[in-house]
Parts: sequence; C-alpha cells; structure tokens
Amino acid sequence: QVQLQESGPGLVKPSQTLSLTCTVSGDSVSSYSYYWNWIRQPAGKGLEWVGRIYTSGTTNSNPSLKSRVSLSLDTARNQLSLQLTSVTAADTAIYFCAASAVNLGQYFFLHWGQGTLLTVSS
Amino acid sequence: SYELTQPPSVSVSPGQTAKITCSGDALARQHGYWYQQKPGQAPVLVIYKESDRPSGIPERFSGSRSGTTVTLIISGVQAEDEADYYCQSVDSDATIVFGGGTKVTVL
Repeated sequence: QVQLQESGPGLVKPSQTLSLTCTVSGDSVSSYSYYWNWIRQPAGKGLEWVGRIYTSGTTNSNPSLKSRVSLSLDTARNQLSLQLTSVTAADTAIYFCAASAVNLGQYFFLHWGQGTLLTVSS
Repeated sequence: SYELTQPPSVSVSPGQTAKITCSGDALARQHGYWYQQKPGQAPVLVIYKESDRPSGIPERFSGSRSGTTVTLIISGVQAEDEADYYCQSVDSDATIVFGGGTKVTVL
C-alpha cells in the first residue's frame, strides 16, 4: 500500500517561490507503476489538479498554472517535489500529493496524502 | 480545458437513495471518477471508470454513465455518507479536471 506525506514551509510571501515535498513509502518514485500528482484545495472550495510526473521525467501540468509549475523526483529520498513561482494569495490552499496507478488507468487518484496547508501572506 | 458540472447540494433521508450527477462533453469519450471528502480529510476514491468500486468501498456506492453525464448512486444512505463528493475526468490533452463538488446532507 502506497503512503504519501506532504511537507512544506506553511507560509510563503507573495512573489516568492513555494516548494513542497511529498515523501513516498510502500513503493519507489522510480517505479513504473505510478504517476505522482499534486492537487490543491483552497479553504472551503473545490479540488484543482496542479500537475503530475512520471519516473521517465515526463510531466504534465494544469494549463492555468503551467508557466509557474516545476515538478521533480528525488529517487535517493523517495520524494516528489513541487515548485510554484510568483505566488499570490490565490495560491493559498491545502496541497495534496496523490498517486495514479498506471495499470488501472493513469488519470485518477488511488492514494492520497493528508495534505499540507500553504498560506501566501506578507 | 472543459468543465464538469455538479449540483452544489443534495439532501437525502437515511435509508433513501442519493443520486449525484456530473455533466461534461468529454464524459462521452473519457472515463468518470468519484471521490468522497469528509471535513479535514483527504479525498477517497469511491468509484472509478464510471462504475467500478475500489476494494473497501461499500456496495451501496455505485455509478453509471449516460451520454455526457455520469451519476454516483448511494443506496441506503447512512449518516456516515454525509460528505462532499467530487467527480473527475480528463481532457483530450491529459489535463485532469474536477467538478465543483456536491455537498450531500443526510437529513
């Protein structure tokens, strides 16, 4: 069973770059079995897919965020990371990492982390 | 990208059946998925590929598709089913899209 745990700074100033990390257990981020995703949810609002990365290095991201999103894998630490540049208050949200199983269909989320709150404020 | 449209809220009495719809043009050719989210918790997948149920999800959860609409059906609703429910699909360019969410209230 794959387990995911997000971590981050909690607070970022406007215009800065946010960096979040998700630590994976139960499988390797180098595995061909999963796509690794980021999804966010502003308080009281719905879910928004941010982007995903595969072990090959292939990435996809939400067109609304694409120019600001950078995704990477750290195989030594078994982690995935999200960087989002030029943040504003609109980026304040709970950020979830989630795994999509390739063999079941790569476009839905079977395993989720508990989420980490990221607040953008000066 | 395209949109998925859900009703904002559905109310149902215990033991009755709740039906939550999700509409979007791409659902005619792409799979639909459903998640349950309780306050303060991460979403949980309850239905994938319109009608398949993951291991551990109660049988009272089922799904269907007709044209450009997918429907989540909760039969014999229980108090513990009170939650937000989100549909999800994928666009032609591999952009993943969520519906706006439906709050299910058990009366």
